[in-house]
Amino acid sequence: GQQLNQSPQSMFIQEGEDVSMNCTSSSIFNTWLWYKQDPGEGPVLLIALYKAGELTSNGRLTAQFGITRKDSFLNISASIPSDVGIYFCAGQLRSGANSKLTFGKGITLSVRP
Amino acid sequence: KAGVTQTPRYLIKTRGQQVTLSCSPISGHRSVSWYQQTPGQGLQFLFEYFSETQRNKGNFPGRFSGRQFSNSRSEMNVSTLELGDSALYLCASSLGQGFFHYGYTFGSGTRLTVV
Repeated sequence: GQQLNQSPQSMFIQEGEDVSMNCTSSSIFNTWLWYKQDPGEGPVLLIALYKAGELTSNGRLTAQFGITRKDSFLNISASIPSDVGIYFCAGQLRSGANSKLTFGKGITLSVRP
Repeated sequence: KAGVTQTPRYLIKTRGQQVTLSCSPISGHRSVSWYQQTPGQGLQFLFEYFSETQRNKGNFPGRFSGRQFSNSRSEMNVSTLELGDSALYLCASSLGQGFFHYGYTFGSGTRLTVV
């Protein structure tokens, strides 16, 4: 099935650094979501974006909905050890009864103390 | 407010058997979606239920089925299990159609191992 492109698979950063993650698609979406998953748990919603060009912050997290509606990025500033986890982007095209999420394969973030 | 509850958390089954997984959504949420997560394929959409009706279905074989009850609780069933069905099965609930502004809330998943 269709998937979003997230790369690289893994990122290693030093505590205190900023990190940026990108997500691209060949199709347009009208909602972009960013989730974080800790080991053994389900994904937890971090930020939701609903309009092209929208820039939204949630604490140290900032995400933007690309103006082409085919991409989104997530920035984490001043990383801390608990930022470790897998970050997924998800696109949603709300069309009638269709509201399923299409996920990227995720980026595993490691933070060195 | 209680989150999405999935039971059981872990399950080991033998090839050829069938399995039923359960999901209780957040109170007031009427839509339940199921996803399969594997290291190779990532998160793949299985199906979505709203008001006891399947509204959307992913590209999985007919061995995968589901249903939703009047209290919005949902079950998914996998018959004739194969080794490749080993995965984390995640359930997500949302308010439902017309209420997309809160994304989906996921449960902790059921880890199914087929041996």
